[in-house]
Amino acid sequence: EAGVVQSPRYKIIEKKQPVAFWCNPISGHNTLYWYRQNLGQGPELLIRYENEEAVDDSQLPKDRFSAERLKGVDSTLKIQPAELGDSAVYLCASSSLQGSGNTIYFGEGSWLTVV
Amino acid sequence: GQNIDQPTEMTATEGAIVQINCTYQTSGFNGLFWYQQHAGEAPTFLSYNVLDGLEEKGRFSSFLSRSKGYSYLLLKELQMKDSASYLCAVQGGSYIPTFGRGTSLIVHP
Repeated sequence: EAGVVQSPRYKIIEKKQPVAFWCNPISGHNTLYWYRQNLGQGPELLIRYENEEAVDDSQLPKDRFSAERLKGVDSTLKIQPAELGDSAVYLCASSSLQGSGNTIYFGEGSWLTVV
Repeated sequence: GQNIDQPTEMTATEGAIVQINCTYQTSGFNGLFWYQQHAGEAPTFLSYNVLDGLEEKGRFSSFLSRSKGYSYLLLKELQMKDSASYLCAVQGGSYIPTFGRGTSLIVHP
């Protein structure tokens, strides 16, 4: 079974430029998460989707970040414009069950460096 | 909200046993996860506890005490490849896992 797929794996951009990340969750997983992880820290939730509906986006900086999950499968996370402090790993994850044992599975991550 | 605390770094010797502790405060509780994360890689699932007690899975075991807000991950027969960051994550009332900062484990010969 294929895992969570993310692209690009690495991205270096200049500040004020836009960037987009793509995620394909595990087949059949209706819940999709975007986390951000800074060096030496644990992942922090940005947004969670149940199918195509964003059900928790309180931590998403909405002035520059946006996300969508059209058709309830693939998702994209966009930053426009990027700032130096956005340099981090952006992790996509998915799970299949809300409730006990809601194990989430992560993709390899998209490593963003803003210069 | 949730507050999760775990040591920043631990060192241990190959072949030994190490225990990584995690304490938490949460409004609502629906389970605790442990993940392993090697440098430059994504976190991978190790264990899930929702009831008090010990869950054993090969060389790794995880313990939970809900009344104390406490969990530990026990690694036996340490190998060099066990050098990684170990993340404790608590699933609160919203069923969204919130992660701690992670414990960096260094295994030396």
